[in-house]
Amino acid sequence: SQQGEEDPQALSIQEGENATMNCSYKTSINNLQWYRQNSGRGLVHLILIRSNEREKHSGRLRVTLDTSKKSSSLLITASQAADTASYFCATAFNQKLVFGQGTRLTINP
Amino acid sequence: ETGVTQTPRHLVMGMTNKKSLKCEQHLGHNAMYWYKQSAKKPLELMFVYSLEERVENNSVPSRFSPECPNSSHLFLHLHTLQPEDSALYLCASSPSLERDTQYFGPGTRLTVL
Repeated sequence: SQQGEEDPQALSIQEGENATMNCSYKTSINNLQWYRQNSGRGLVHLILIRSNEREKHSGRLRVTLDTSKKSSSLLITASQAADTASYFCATAFNQKLVFGQGTRLTINP
Repeated sequence: ETGVTQTPRHLVMGMTNKKSLKCEQHLGHNAMYWYKQSAKKPLELMFVYSLEERVENNSVPSRFSPECPNSSHLFLHLHTLQPEDSALYLCASSPSLERDTQYFGPGTRLTVL
């Protein structure tokens, strides 16, 4: 299926450290998006990277895309307690946006 | 929060009840979506509407009935649900269907007793 798979499923780090999450997918994509979800809330869009882009930045977020390996990574630098959330990658192709199962990130004070 | 509102935020219902979930978007978008999020499962797309016309129905049981009276409002009518239907139901909208960023509401936490 097109579904992205995030790795790791859960990640726990100390405040101030960097967090890296990975996403792998199986089919062609038009773009790949990352979303954040705080516990029991709706998803919030973080960043979109198109299939012809390799890297994108937004504040403390850095996203890379390797279409040859069908993988993407999300790096959060200088983590803060407020970054505690679940992070989802979503792959877009032919009017479909398919979400992975997510990575649960916990930032410890 | 994001221009997409959902009511109610929490709902507890018995298996014989009929209830409706409401979603409203204030973003001028043309596409709206219903998702189901259960514990330890990926987000499941249930229904997609574009310009008030249903364009996708992902094998959702008939006890879930969507309605889109206009491009700003989306309803999910619930009837004779099962306990396994307990989940977070999320509404989202996007400018169009073309691989756009989706904007999510806060969700309705549904518990079926």
